Amino acid sequence: GDSVTQMEGPVTLSEEACLTINCTYTATGYPSLFWYVQYPGEGLQLLLKATKADDKGSNKGFEATYRKETTSFHLEKGSVQVSDSAVYFCALSDQGAGSYQLTFGKGTKLSVIP
Amino acid sequence: EAGVTQSPTHLIKTRGQQVTLRCSPISGHTSVYWYQQALGLGLQFLLWYDEGEERNRGNFPPRFSGRQFPNYSSELNVNALELEDSALYLCASSAPGSGANVLTFGAGSRLTVL
Repeated sequence: GDSVTQMEGPVTLSEEACLTINCTYTATGYPSLFWYVQYPGEGLQLLLKATKADDKGSNKGFEATYRKETTSFHLEKGSVQVSDSAVYFCALSDQGAGSYQLTFGKGTKLSVIP
Repeated sequence: EAGVTQSPTHLIKTRGQQVTLRCSPISGHTSVYWYQQALGLGLQFLLWYDEGEERNRGNFPPRFSGRQFPNYSSELNVNALELEDSALYLCASSAPGSGANVLTFGAGSRLTVL
């Protein structure tokens, strides 16, 4: 079945440091890929998405590129801020294979310190 | 536009009791998804309702059930509560035809089972 593996946390960075959170996936079809963010005490918000190979999703300075050859969708940001402290979830939907729900990774907690 | 609303936001139950959680989707959304976010386990897919019908369920026992009403709101029922049911229960909705590619999440209902 479909699965998502993302790097274990927690990750602690200083403000303005570079961020990379690794995400790899296994899917039977051609999935769409997502990054969701969960700020403390809140639900999930869609951060960015990509629906086909080589697409790049971007939002709020975050980027991720859909790499079919490496089955990866790593999240990157060049300069993190304290306000980026949250839990980040990589996810996929494999509607082409008849799977109409999101499959999530376990989440990576990011703490950014001033 | 109101987002996905869930109630109650927090509740405490004891083992063996039953609980009902409620979700109101965004106006115009016809699909509702339920996820369980237990500590250390990430988000696990529970149920998907679309147009009043249960379309898919995750790997959870039958004591987890729900329904979707004609106005597309939804309930999640959990019978015979166990300690490991303690979790944040997240509801998400999507518009007709978009499936899991555009999910909007609510803030969740945090259930504590003592």
